[in-house]
Amino acid sequence: QVQLQESGPGLVKPSETLSLTCTVSGASISSRDDYWGWIRQTPGKGLEWIGSIDYSGTAFYNPSLKNRLTISIDPSKSQVSLKVHSVTAADTAMYYCSRQPNYGPPHDFWGHGTRVTVSS
Amino acid sequence: EVVLTQSPGTLSLSPGERATLSCRASQSVRSTSFAWYQQKAGQPPRLLIYETSTRATGIPDRFSGSGSETDFTLTISRLEPEDFAVYYCQQYDSSPRTFGQGTKVEIK
Repeated sequence: QVQLQESGPGLVKPSETLSLTCTVSGASISSRDDYWGWIRQTPGKGLEWIGSIDYSGTAFYNPSLKNRLTISIDPSKSQVSLKVHSVTAADTAMYYCSRQPNYGPPHDFWGHGTRVTVSS
Repeated sequence: EVVLTQSPGTLSLSPGERATLSCRASQSVRSTSFAWYQQKAGQPPRLLIYETSTRATGIPDRFSGSGSETDFTLTISRLEPEDFAVYYCQQYDSSPRTFGQGTKVEIK
């Protein structure tokens, strides 16, 4: 069974960088069949696709966030990382990672999510 | 980006009743790139339907999806107690992938 686990600090100060890690088990993060994506959820904006990355490190970003995002992959650790730079209160959200297959279902496995609050 | 508008915002029904949820896209979406999710409190979204009408693994056949271009529908034929939740539509035809704002199905 594919499992994803998000981890990272729950509190980040404004203007700093939010850093999260998604650890994948039960699937090969090096598979050419899959992308690994990040999605966040807030009460105000709902579900927002942040971006995704494939085994080679090719990343796709939501244009609304692109200038502040870095998504990377470390196959040796079976991990995908997300960095959101220069955060504001608007980045306060539940952050999920998910598997994003190239074909078929769009987001078939999700982590339980990690809540991040941006506050001084 | 493609804006998805779901209606109604809240659906109040009794167990055993039929639920019909709608999602309208601001521009045409390929039917091969449209999905529905269910979310319960404290849980991540769960994929129900993809490619407009294909049920995800383990999803019971009381859930069905239909539609094309800009109008899509999720139907729950007979509501079970575990079906009361929030439902989201999603398009993954164009980037960025976008979600609707959700329809809450609550017990009447």
